[in-house]
Amino acid sequence: QVHLVESGGGVVQPGRSLKVSCAASGFMFSSYGMHWVRQAPGKGLEWVAFIWYDGSNRLYADSVKGRFTISRDNSKNTVYLQMNTLTAEDTAVYYCARGDYHGSGSYSPDHWGQGTLVTVSS
Amino acid sequence: DIQMTQSPSSLSASVGDRVTITCQASRDISNFLNWFQQKPGKAPKLLIHDASNLETGVPSRFSGSRSGTDFTFTISSLQSEDIATYYCQQYDDFPYSFGQGTKLEIK
Repeated sequence: QVHLVESGGGVVQPGRSLKVSCAASGFMFSSYGMHWVRQAPGKGLEWVAFIWYDGSNRLYADSVKGRFTISRDNSKNTVYLQMNTLTAEDTAVYYCARGDYHGSGSYSPDHWGQGTLVTVSS
Repeated sequence: DIQMTQSPSSLSASVGDRVTITCQASRDISNFLNWFQQKPGKAPKLLIHDASNLETGVPSRFSGSRSGTDFTFTISSLQSEDIATYYCQQYDDFPYSFGQGTKLEIK
């Protein structure tokens, strides 16, 4: 079955960087786009980024554009989120999710990992 | 960007009640709408995709429908294990967006 495991979260100072990872198994990773979605403590869900199945295209929320970079290594079945110039507003649980293609360029986030907590604090 | 307006933000109901949550998109999103269930400390779980299609293994008391840009999520007979926060989410156009969430509690 589909299994996604995030790692790399932790406490980081404002202005610093952090890279989180998501290891995938149980499906043909190289055939699926992948999402990152975050959830600040006690708040709702916010879509962050998406990468095409082959890494050829990447999309970002305005709130992270220019600071965050999504990437993937299909040989390792892993997707990454490099987060730079972090602020307190980036404090959240970061989830990766598989993007299931539903036609017309739409990729439903169907299976999710358990999340990794990133805390930005001095 | 597409805005998703979800209501109510919280809801208290009794076991066995019929529960309805609504979500309105700011423009046409076709049927590209998901409903998620999230329990405390857990990842969201996809219940319904394409507005009305139940995910495999999800109980049939859950259902979804669409009328134009208005979407409805229904639990036909509330069970105690349904206590959670529910979110709608559009995947018609990037940036994808979520409703604000509905926290469901037992009366």
